[in-house]
Amino acid sequence: KAGVTQTPRYLIKTRGQQVTLSCSPISGHRSVSWYQQTPGQGLQFLFEYFSETQRNKGNFPGRFSGRQFSNSRSEMNVSTLELGDSALYLCASSGGQGDLETQYFGPGTRLLVL
Amino acid sequence: GQNIDQPTEMTATEGAIVQINCTYQTSGFNGLFWYQQHAGEAPTFLSYNVLDGLEEKGRFSSFLSRSKGYSYLLLKELQMKDSASYLCAVMDSNYQLIWGAGTKLIIKP
Repeated sequence: KAGVTQTPRYLIKTRGQQVTLSCSPISGHRSVSWYQQTPGQGLQFLFEYFSETQRNKGNFPGRFSGRQFSNSRSEMNVSTLELGDSALYLCASSGGQGDLETQYFGPGTRLLVL
Repeated sequence: GQNIDQPTEMTATEGAIVQINCTYQTSGFNGLFWYQQHAGEAPTFLSYNVLDGLEEKGRFSSFLSRSKGYSYLLLKELQMKDSASYLCAVMDSNYQLIWGAGTKLIIKP
């Protein structure tokens, strides 16, 4: 079974621009969570989607948004980029049969804002 | 508030045993996870504990005490490839994962 995939893997943007990141979960998984990770920091939870609905949300400004499609693929968008948005963005999928809670991570998208 | 505590960094010798502790205070409890993350890579799942006691999986074991809000990850027969960060996460009453900042484990020959 294919793992979680994320595109693009690397991205360079400038301040003020916007960016859209994509995540395809493991086949059969209906939940997708997004995290931001900066050097020396733990995983900071952004939001979780389940069956196209946002189920949980972290403490990030409204510039960070997301959505999920009917095939469970998810996108997150960051508008008006700031230097501090430079980070590794990880998505994780869960909801596999017999293994509902475990999150499986994609390789991440490394975003650099200049 | 919700809080997960684990040591920032630990050093151990190849072939030895190391125990990484995690204490937590969360709103509810629906399980505790350990993940391994090598530098520049995504976290990979190691273990899941929802009941008290020890879960053994090869060289890695994870222990949970819900009454004490405490868990540890035990790594035996350490190998150089075990150098990584180890993340502790607790699933709260809303089924949201609360993450610790991770423990960087350095293995020396």
